[in-house]
Amino acid sequence: AQSVSQHNHHVILSEAASLELGCNYSYGGTVNLFWYVQYPGQHLQLLLKYFSGDPLVKGIKGFEAEFIKSKFSFNLRKPSVQWSDTAEYFCAVNAYYGNNRLAFGKGNQVVVIP
Amino acid sequence: DAGVTQSPTHLIKTRGQQVTLRCSPKSGHDTVSWYQQALGQGPQFIFQYYEEEERQRGNFPDRFSGHQFPNYSSELNVNALLLGDSALYLCASSLRPKETQYFGPGTRLLVL
Repeated sequence: AQSVSQHNHHVILSEAASLELGCNYSYGGTVNLFWYVQYPGQHLQLLLKYFSGDPLVKGIKGFEAEFIKSKFSFNLRKPSVQWSDTAEYFCAVNAYYGNNRLAFGKGNQVVVIP
Repeated sequence: DAGVTQSPTHLIKTRGQQVTLRCSPKSGHDTVSWYQQALGQGPQFIFQYYEEEERQRGNFPDRFSGHQFPNYSSELNVNALLLGDSALYLCASSLRPKETQYFGPGTRLLVL
């Protein structure tokens, strides 16, 4: 079964700072990778996804993530955050072949101070 | 284009009771998955329904059951509620089982 690790559960940073959230997964086969975001009072929304191809994936709102297969990682980055990026961020993985169940990490609570 | 909808938004029950949560998938989607999100945790997969059948199941007891209707909407039923069942229950829909899942707002269940 797949599992996902996210570190630094709480992140506090100032506007214009750069953000990087780590995500490591455990699974021996080919995977699909996702980052979901949950803004305060809103539901989980898809930020970006990786199925195959270019390992550098660009998502909405200036976010990007890089899949490094050798490190089993899918880290999320944004060069310059805004106050509106305050949210909880979840990394998720499912098996490329076989079941479609998503395995989520515990999430990163990100607070951006104006 | 309506997204995934869930009802009710909040629910309070007592131990031993039974609860039914409802989900309508995004327009055009035929697959529904249910997740449980405890406070401070990521969502955990409960089960997935496609073509009115349970296709996959996570590590949840038989007290958790579901149903999918011909219009692709779905219900999650939990019997003999325990305090530990208090959580946010999320429904996600997809266009076929292997496609990207889109989440609804969730139903927050509190068991007293």
